[in-house]
This record gives sequence, structure tokens and C-alpha cells, in this order.
Amino acid sequence: GDSVTQMEGPVTLSEEAFLTINCTYTATGYPSLFWYVQYPGEGLQLLLKATKADDKGSNKGFEATYRKETTSFHLEKGSVQVSDSAVYFCALSVTSYGKLTFGQGTILTVHP
Amino acid sequence: GAGVSQSPRYKVAKRGQDVALRCDPISGHVSLFWYQQALGQGPEFLTYFQNEAQLDKSGLPSDRFFAERPEGSVSTLKIQRTQQEDSAVYLCASSLWRDSNTGELFFGEGSRLTVL
Repeated sequence: GDSVTQMEGPVTLSEEAFLTINCTYTATGYPSLFWYVQYPGEGLQLLLKATKADDKGSNKGFEATYRKETTSFHLEKGSVQVSDSAVYFCALSVTSYGKLTFGQGTILTVHP
Repeated sequence: GAGVSQSPRYKVAKRGQDVALRCDPISGHVSLFWYQQALGQGPEFLTYFQNEAQLDKSGLPSDRFFAERPEGSVSTLKIQRTQQEDSAVYLCASSLWRDSNTGELFFGEGSRLTVL
């Protein structure tokens, strides 16, 4: 079946450090790929998405590129801030109605 | 309302009790999803509604789980004869689009169920 695997956390960084969170997937067909973020005390919210191979999603300084050849969608940010501390979820969708399959989540903590 | 609203936010039940969790989606959103999130894990799909029609219930773990959306807006997830393994956060999400896997899902903050 469809699945998403994220790098294990937690990840702890200093402010202005470079961030990478790895995500790989297994899917039948051609999935759309997503990163969702959950800030403390809030619900999950969409961070970025990509709908076909080689597409790059970007938002709030975060980027991820849909790599079909390596079945990956790694999340990157050049300079993290304390406010980026959150749980990050990689997800895919193969259905026409947007049912999501999530990875296990990666906790990111950024220290001043 | 401005976002997806879920109630109660916290529920403690004794094993064997029935519980009902409510979701108020964003007004006008056609699609509604329920997910179950165990501690330290990602959300797992339970069921999907398009308006009042339950089109996918493949993720419901047993026949103790039942969901409805009778008028195509508010939805209720009911768990009968709760077990300890049902302890989790139950997330509701809604989406404007009916037929799109590129649309954004808007999530509520969840209902945390603890079964003693």
C-alpha cells in the first residue's frame, strides 16, 4: 500500500542553521505530495505542496522538490528561526478526493 | 466559523463506554475527513464524506466506529464500547473541493480521547 517515511527526530538546531527533513514515499500511480506543519497548540496546516514530478513547492522560506526518480520530497530551509519550532508531517495523496497518507512526523526545535 | 471546530477537546471515558465526537467544518466545504492520531505518530485516515455521502470508510478499525454527516455539514464520530487502544487524538479536516487531490485540507485542533 501507499506509505510515507520521514527521518526520525527530534531535530534540534540553532537559529539560522540549515534545515533538511528527509521524506520518501511508496505509492501506486502518481501522487501529489505535501508538507503539513503543526505548531504548538494549533491544528495541522498546509506548508507546501507539489503535484507532479520536478515541481518545487515553497512557502515561508521552506522548499521541497518532487523527485520521482528517488521517490523523495525532502523539506529544506536555509535559515531556521525559533518560530519554526513545530512538528512537520510529509504526506501524499493518490485519490481524486484528496485522502492523505501521512508520515510519522518530525519534531523540530530551534534554539536562539 | 473561521476554521474547523471540534468538540469536546478532551474526553475521558471508562472502558466500555460509548463516546461521540463532533466536527463543525468550514462553511461550504464539501469534503470532510476523520483521522486518528496515536501518540507520536502521524494521522491515520478513518473515513471520508462528500456532502452527506460517506464515500470511503476503509480506515475505520472496527464496527465499533461509526461516522455520520446527515445534512452535509456537521459530522459526528461515534465509538461504541471504547477500548484502551482507542485512546488517541481524533482529527477532523474539511476541504472545499470535491474532486481534487491537490486541494488543501483544513484541520481542527482535534479531540483527545483517553480510555481508562
